[in-house]
Amino acid sequence: AQSVTQPDIHITVSEGASLELRCNYSYGATPYLFWYVQSPGQGLQLLLKYFSGDTLVQGIKGFEAEFKRSQSSFNLRKPSVHWSDAAEYFCAVAPNTGFQKLVFGTGTRLLVSP
Amino acid sequence: DGGITQSPKYLFRKEGQNVTLSCEQNLNHDAMYWYRQDPGQGLRLIYYSQIVNDFQKGDIAEGYSVSREKKESFPLTVTSAQKNPTAFYLCASSIVPGHYGYTFGSGTRLTVV
Repeated sequence: AQSVTQPDIHITVSEGASLELRCNYSYGATPYLFWYVQSPGQGLQLLLKYFSGDTLVQGIKGFEAEFKRSQSSFNLRKPSVHWSDAAEYFCAVAPNTGFQKLVFGTGTRLLVSP
Repeated sequence: DGGITQSPKYLFRKEGQNVTLSCEQNLNHDAMYWYRQDPGQGLRLIYYSQIVNDFQKGDIAEGYSVSREKKESFPLTVTSAQKNPTAFYLCASSIVPGHYGYTFGSGTRLTVV
């Protein structure tokens, strides 16, 4: 069965500093990969997704993620964090065949310090 | 604008009552999903539906029921059999086939009083 691991429950980053959120997945083949962001009390918004091709994908709000097959990872990065980036971030995977249900990680809460 | 509407935003339930959470989408998406979110546990799938008049149990379906009589609507009923219903509930939809990610509603927070 597919699974997603986000090893960091909380991360605190200073405003203007760079950010990397980790995501590792377990799946037999290369799945579809996603990052979502959730502000408190709100639904989830899609930041970016990887299906195939270029392993570095660009998303909204200045985020990017890199797929590394050898490490089964899909880490999210941002070069300079803004206070408005404080939120919870979820990594998700779906199989690339058949009906695709997303499997979510447990999330990483990002805190941004002044 | 197309999107998913969940209502109400806040819902209070007395023990022993059934309550129904509404989810409506105007995206013309085929598939719809219900997730439950608890702190530190991520999102857990309750039910999903690929087409009208068909739905499947997810990982935590006990104590919940759904219907899919219209493409646009996928209501979730939290029954009295759900022993710990206090949570944040999220509805989502997606295009089928292919996977372009889910579109989420803004959620309903259910509290048992």
